Amino acid sequence: DTGVSQDPRHKITKRGQNVTFRCDPISEHNRLYWYRQTLGQGPEFLTYFQNEAQLEKSRLLSDRFSAERPKGSFSTLEIQRTEQGDSAMYLCASSLAALGSTAFDTSGANVLTFGAGSRLTVL
Amino acid sequence: GDSVTQMEGPVTLSEEAFLTINCTYTATGYPSLFWYVQYPGEGLQLLLKATKADDKGSNKGFEATYRKETTSFHLEKGSVQVSDSAVYFCALRNTNAGKSTFGDGTTLTVKP
Repeated sequence: DTGVSQDPRHKITKRGQNVTFRCDPISEHNRLYWYRQTLGQGPEFLTYFQNEAQLEKSRLLSDRFSAERPKGSFSTLEIQRTEQGDSAMYLCASSLAALGSTAFDTSGANVLTFGAGSRLTVL
Repeated sequence: GDSVTQMEGPVTLSEEAFLTINCTYTATGYPSLFWYVQYPGEGLQLLLKATKADDKGSNKGFEATYRKETTSFHLEKGSVQVSDSAVYFCALRNTNAGKSTFGDGTTLTVKP
């Protein structure tokens, strides 16, 4: 397994255009996450999937953003009508979620493996 | 909601100096705590983790102890190397939560 792959690595677009990013997670991982990171900030949660189900979406996420994971494998993140404020690094991560609920997670589950990111520049 | 606060950087040290990067958190329940590291030009990767109070995570000479009473998870290393220069992120994941919450990162530069 080559880890988490993201494509493209860099995207430059004009304001108002649509862009789509793709993420291929580690094949055994059932969870896939999207984060956004701007300079000097930590990763900001956008959304995540368990298998093909989108389980949580940030309340800060504009309706111009949509994510899919149609077969529970790769995922796409689309941004419609891009704005200059969308310029950021978009990070994908995957993990293996622990089955069931426990008060103390002592397994290796839920450790995130990140891709290298897709940098978006909106002119 | 959950939050993570890291000491402000950047931090510049000489090789073999002692490192502490402070991290405190706010969360309900029993969060797991993590330190991730981002080397120049690379993606974030896990450095160490702790899953319950008083646990100590360690890796590559770095250590952090989960202190529930002070809601802290400070990162320490006894003798830093130039190769430790990177951005360090403290993070938490709450019990049964999907997402992880990250601090803003601390940039460490180690000079020979």
